[in-house]
Amino acid sequence: DAGVIQSPRHEVTEMGQEVTLRCKPISGHDYLFWYRQTMMRGLELLIYFNNNVPIDDSGMPEDRFSAKMPNASFSTLKIQPSEPRDSAVYFCASSSDTSKLFFGSGTQLSVL
Amino acid sequence: GEDVEQSLFLSVREGDSSVINCTYTDSSSTYLYWYKQEPGAGLQLLTYIFSNMDMKQDQRLTVLLNKKDKHLSLRIADTQTGDSAIYFCAERDQAGTALIFGKGTTLSVSS
Repeated sequence: DAGVIQSPRHEVTEMGQEVTLRCKPISGHDYLFWYRQTMMRGLELLIYFNNNVPIDDSGMPEDRFSAKMPNASFSTLKIQPSEPRDSAVYFCASSSDTSKLFFGSGTQLSVL
Repeated sequence: GEDVEQSLFLSVREGDSSVINCTYTDSSSTYLYWYKQEPGAGLQLLTYIFSNMDMKQDQRLTVLLNKKDKHLSLRIADTQTGDSAIYFCAERDQAGTALIFGKGTTLSVSS
């Protein structure tokens, strides 16, 4: 298996633009997690899904952030409109039983 | 809520032992984890320990768990330059599903 695949690897955009981050989990994994990593706050859990259903989105910072999982092999995290403080590395992770998470390589987002 | 605390930096010489410490808050955590992040990459599971264990050894890695003090440590014996990375301690959230990570300890190994 190729592991968790995230795209794009890098995204540079201007304030106010819409940003969409994509994730393909490992086949057969029922859980999908979105984390955000910054120097100041470390790794923060944004939202996670179980069998494509959002279970806990309490970590989503505000209404500008939304996440979807239309099927078992694809998830998106959207920021609209983006702001400079959203600049961070966004990680997607998947798991079959929540005891071990497998992370993608992350998307480095820069909002100018 | 859950909280995981770690020191931010550790610097050692090649060949020395490294000890990375972590404190956590949720005494009901069944598993505690150590993840490693190399530059430009995602996190990889390094090792984990079940809460009914005091110690787990895996080659150069030794995990010690003190449940009374909610203290977890990771010892790396004979540290190599390739061990330079960020090490994250993690516990499960109260729902027992997601992982809550510390801010990570940056290990720098000099030759």
